[in-house]
Amino acid sequence: DGGITQSPKYLFRKEGQNVTLSCEQNLNHDAMYWYRQDPGQGLRLIYYSQIVNDFQKGDIAEGYSVSREKKESFPLTVTSAQKNPTAFYLCASNFRGTTEAFFGQGTRLTVV
Amino acid sequence: DAKTTQPTSMDCAEGRAANLPCNHSTISGNEYVYWYRQIHSQGPQYIIHGLKNNETNEMASLIITEDRKSSTLILPHATLRDTAVYYCIVRAAGGSYIPTFGRGTSLIVHP
Repeated sequence: DGGITQSPKYLFRKEGQNVTLSCEQNLNHDAMYWYRQDPGQGLRLIYYSQIVNDFQKGDIAEGYSVSREKKESFPLTVTSAQKNPTAFYLCASNFRGTTEAFFGQGTRLTVV
Repeated sequence: DAKTTQPTSMDCAEGRAANLPCNHSTISGNEYVYWYRQIHSQGPQYIIHGLKNNETNEMASLIITEDRKSSTLILPHATLRDTAVYYCIVRAAGGSYIPTFGRGTSLIVHP
């Protein structure tokens, strides 16, 4: 089945540790996105990539890093520099230039 | 992109129609209206989109006013599983676009 997969669904980390969230898609989409969602809030864009080996910062990129070495994969690293990393993280993808985006099921990160 | 305004929350009885409004008074001629919904702790899901004609699919109907300044998403027979946050997005077709989502409308369907 075609889709976009995020793993793991729940993740716990100690404060000060880096953590990498996985996002894989087999939809042949050009563009991929990472969003952060806090309780009762909309989605805020962290990073996006519209082509392999290229990515741009979104509205809240500080404390995060990404890579796009393959079309299918867009991992997000939450670094120790991120002051408040506990949140729900969503990955999405689409064909460049279209609005319809497909989302993964999200990863809920809790830092203790 | 045109800005959208949606009510923060709404409720609806199960089996009744849920009508979710969206204002987009600054919409331009080439901008589409898109609707997504997000069930709790899941990723948003595309529902429907339209330009100026009314649209219907297996999930919902989209009614766009003649002046295109507002639209209504209709869930004809709401079920408990339709409880979710509904996002209205306005965007021109083509070009480089980054999907953006505001707070949306939290719809609660009650028995």
